[in-house]
Formats: sequence, C-alpha cells, structure tokens
Amino acid sequence: GQNIDQPTEMTATEGAIVQINCTYQTSGFNGLFWYQQHAGEAPTFLSYNVLDGLEEKGRFSSFLSRSKGYSYLLLKELQMKDSASYLCAVRDLGNAGNMLTFGGGTRLMVKP
Amino acid sequence: GAVVSQHPSRVICKSGTSVKIECRSLDFQATTMFWYRQFPKQSLMLMATSNEGSKATYEQGVEKDKFLINHASLTLSTLTVTSAHPEDSSFYICSAPSGLSYEQYFGPGTRLTVT
Repeated sequence: GQNIDQPTEMTATEGAIVQINCTYQTSGFNGLFWYQQHAGEAPTFLSYNVLDGLEEKGRFSSFLSRSKGYSYLLLKELQMKDSASYLCAVRDLGNAGNMLTFGGGTRLMVKP
Repeated sequence: GAVVSQHPSRVICKSGTSVKIECRSLDFQATTMFWYRQFPKQSLMLMATSNEGSKATYEQGVEKDKFLINHASLTLSTLTVTSAHPEDSSFYICSAPSGLSYEQYFGPGTRLTVT
C-alpha cells in the first residue's frame, strides 16, 4: 500500500507564499495529484505530476521528485479564499482503475 | 470538464433505517466509480470500488453487507447504507475516472446524519 504524509495544519498571511509538502511511499508510482477542498464540498483538482519537476498553473505550482518520494504545492499571492484543505493523493500501478490514495490533508488558514 | 452528480446532497435518517445515495456521471461513461467516506477534519478514505456489471471491491474494514453497492449501468452507481447507526454519519463522496485522461471527477458529496 501507500503511506502519504503531509502537515495537518498551516497558517499564512494574505499576499504571501506558502509551500505544502507531501511525502509518499509506494511500490509502483503512477502519478501524484493535489486537490483543494473547502469545508463541506467535494475536492477540486489542482495539479498532476508524473515526471520530476515543476508544473506551474497560475498562482499554484506543484513539484515532484520521484527519487525522494516528495512533492510540494506552492501557492503564491495568497488570497483569503485559499483557506481550505489541500489533499495530496497518489496513484499506484498496483491499484485498479486509477484508484487514488489520499494523504490526511493540510488545512491552510490564510489570515489578513 | 466531466460532471459527476450525487443525490441527495443531504439526508437525515433514523437509526436502523437504510439510505440510498446515487452517483451519476452526466456526460461520460464510467465503468468504474469510487466511493469515499470523510469524517470531520479528516481526509477521504476509500470505501469501495464500484465496477459496472460485476461485484464491488471493498477496502479492508468496510462491511460489504452494510454498504451495498450496485453499478447497474455505465452512468450510475448506488451506495446503500443499511441499518444505519449514528457512527455512520459522515460525508460520502463518489468519483469517476474520465477514461480519457488522468483526472478523476468528484461528485459534490452527500452529508448523511443518522439520529
């Protein structure tokens, strides 16, 4: 199975930059996803990494190092609406049908 | 992008009764759908993989006789919580892979409260 770790909570200031880390252990890595989830809502897709390196999409970027089993989500120019949980999820070749395994999620609080 | 719907969005039921939750892929076919459960301030925990035309695959610790899954068509999977108890109160979310890309599309979730 997979073991996925990310910090439980983080706090940052509006306008700042925050980096949310995720480490994972898996036998057959087949992609890492980041999702944003506001309370009481379904997760929304943010990014997908399957090769090493940085993927940039507007204010959000995601980095992957497969050799280190490590990823981070970088949020720039933080806005109050970015306060949410951020979920790291890994897809494993051993899992049927694109099944994802989620980390515990990081609750980000953006303060004025 | 692809859309997945769930019904109902919220349900309150009495202990001992059964509740059915529907998950539909609205503009694509899904031979596989996933059912997750999420308790407050926790992450999504996979309960089972729903397979069209065959039996669902349940994760360890999930009672298949309590959480009945039926995937009768390529666009509909249902989760029935039988003999519900207060500890079954949770947020239930389904998802479906698009089949054409790496993405999974999540339904809006169903908040179940058992009194």
